[in-house]
Parts: sequence; C-alpha cells; structure tokens
Amino acid sequence: SAVISQKPSRDICQRGTSLTIQCQVDSQVTMMFWYRQQPGQSLTLIATANQGSEATYESGFVIDKFPISRPNLTFSTLTVSNMSPEDSSIYLCSVSSSRRNYGYTFGSGTRLTVV
Amino acid sequence: GNSVTQMEGPVTLSEEAFLTINCTYTATGYPSLFWYVQYPGEGLQLLLKATKADDKGSNKGFEATYRKETTSFHLEKGSVQVSDSAVYFCALSPKGSNFGNEKLTFGTGTRLTIIP
Repeated sequence: SAVISQKPSRDICQRGTSLTIQCQVDSQVTMMFWYRQQPGQSLTLIATANQGSEATYESGFVIDKFPISRPNLTFSTLTVSNMSPEDSSIYLCSVSSSRRNYGYTFGSGTRLTVV
Repeated sequence: GNSVTQMEGPVTLSEEAFLTINCTYTATGYPSLFWYVQYPGEGLQLLLKATKADDKGSNKGFEATYRKETTSFHLEKGSVQVSDSAVYFCALSPKGSNFGNEKLTFGTGTRLTIIP
C-alpha cells in the first residue's frame, strides 16, 4: 500500500495566521482526501483533491478557509487560513490504494493548536 | 446517506478479557467495511477490512465479520493486551463504479483502555 509523509507533525500557531500542511505520497494516486479530527471526535472529511482540478469541499467547509493544492499525482497541500482556536484539531490526509484490497492509507497527521 | 453507528466508549477492560466493539451501518448497496486503530499520538492505521457479505477480516488477533442481514461489522478479540489500548474507528466506503476514489464515512470512535 501507499506510504504517506505528512508534515508538520504538530504546530502551535497564533490566531489570525495560516498554516500549510503537506502530504507526499510514494506512488501516484488519483484522489487525495483531507480530514479533520477535532479533539475527542471522529474524522470529518474536509475535501477531496483530484489532480488538475479544483478540490471538492464537503458541506460546512469552504475554499477560502481551507484552500487545497494538488499540483501532481503524488503531492497535495491543505492550508488552514485565518486560524482561530476552533481550528485546533488533527488534520490528516489519506489516499486509496491502486489495488482495491488495500483500503485507504492515512498520513500520521498534523496536530494543530491555535492560541 | 451513508452512516456508521459505533458503540460509545470509553471501554475499560482487564488484560486477557474478551473484547467486542459494536458497529452497524446504513448504506445503499454493499459497501466495503473497515476497522481503523489510532494509537496515542499517532495517525490512523488500517486494522482489518471486509469487502463483501460474510467476509471475515482479521489481523493481530482481531476479527470482524461482514453481516449483511444485520448490517453489522462488530470487532472482537479473544484476549486483549495492554498494547491494544487505542481508539478504534469503524468506517465504510461505498462500492460503486468509482471504488477507491470515494470518501470514508467514520463512526464516532471507541476509546479502549486495557489495564494490567
């Protein structure tokens, strides 16, 4: 299955600033998914990123707040913009394997604290 | 739409106890079902999966059987260890023509603590 390198692993940021999270995959993948995990909660999909087109956002998430880039088939970034303490969460990227039986692989996550 | 209902935690067990974490789902068609585990301070790891009815996924002593008639995918382990302490997530993915490019729908997660 694919191996994902996600960084940074954690950061503490001031409110009003922005943070860009990067995910690098060791193989080409069609779709990359960005999830948010708020403290003590389950995972919620933010958006799906397809190479060469704009990301598709889930209800409650907008491009101005969470701009996503997908410049090629192995890399994507998620930016958390104009942060507030409510954005403190773990952010994870995920890809599906090119082979059906392997399921979905997740990055190790970025633990963001906004102060 | 698709949804996953998972047994609420936290669950605390003694070492070597039997574990069951319930998971039921609502979906059109026959989705693929997964259990993911999140150890403290880490990301999600795939624990096991099943892609069709009556399939049994197994890994590290954990098992779950895809039950279409009860729309369930309960996680079980016969004898838990302290190292099994983690948060466990049940999830599904629809299996349409775009399989592999569809999002996962997660349950709320169950925090498991095993005491020596």
